[in-house]
Amino acid sequence: AQSVTQLGSHVSVSEGALVLLRCNYSSSVPPYLFWYVQYPNQGLQLLLKYTTGATLVKGINGFEAEFKKSETSFHLTKPSAHMSDAAEYFCAVTTTGNQFYFGTGTSLTVIP
Amino acid sequence: DTEVTQTPKHLVMGMTNKKSLKCEQHMGHRAMYWYKQKAKKPPELMFVYSYEKLSINESVPSRFSPECPNSSLLNLHLHALQPEDSALYLCASSLAQGAEGYTFGSGTRLTVV
Repeated sequence: AQSVTQLGSHVSVSEGALVLLRCNYSSSVPPYLFWYVQYPNQGLQLLLKYTTGATLVKGINGFEAEFKKSETSFHLTKPSAHMSDAAEYFCAVTTTGNQFYFGTGTSLTVIP
Repeated sequence: DTEVTQTPKHLVMGMTNKKSLKCEQHMGHRAMYWYKQKAKKPPELMFVYSYEKLSINESVPSRFSPECPNSSLLNLHLHALQPEDSALYLCASSLAQGAEGYTFGSGTRLTVV
């Protein structure tokens, strides 16, 4: 079975500061890992994904994440936060593709 | 076309009403999903269709009835819902093997009164 843990249900950063959202996963087989963003009253939008290959993956809006197998982590980062980054962020894992396991989400607030 | 379109965007229904949610995609995806999302919570899987056949039902009450008429359409029929069923209902689609990720629609905000 797979599971995802997102540390910190709420994260606040100043505009221009580093964004770091944490995600740890549990999986007995090689996982596929994803970060999704959700703006108020909208669906989920794929930010980036790790399937195979390079462990540092770049996504949309300047976000990137690094797959660290030894730490079972897939933390999301962005060098400089923008006001438009304020949203809910979900980490997700799958191995079969038919069933995604979502973390509980992290609400990001950007302070002007 | 790289979108999943859901209609209606908002729906208010009484507990004795029958209504349907509609989802459409034209990306050639052969797997489609219904999720339910409560405020400040992650999406919860309800149903999975693969090649127009129901492959996963996460023990969803029978007052929710999914239907997949063809590879582009997914419906969710609602009947005799309860106020606790009020939520955002999200449709998603993926390639047959969803390991490349899902494309989500913007959802239907359902309120049961």
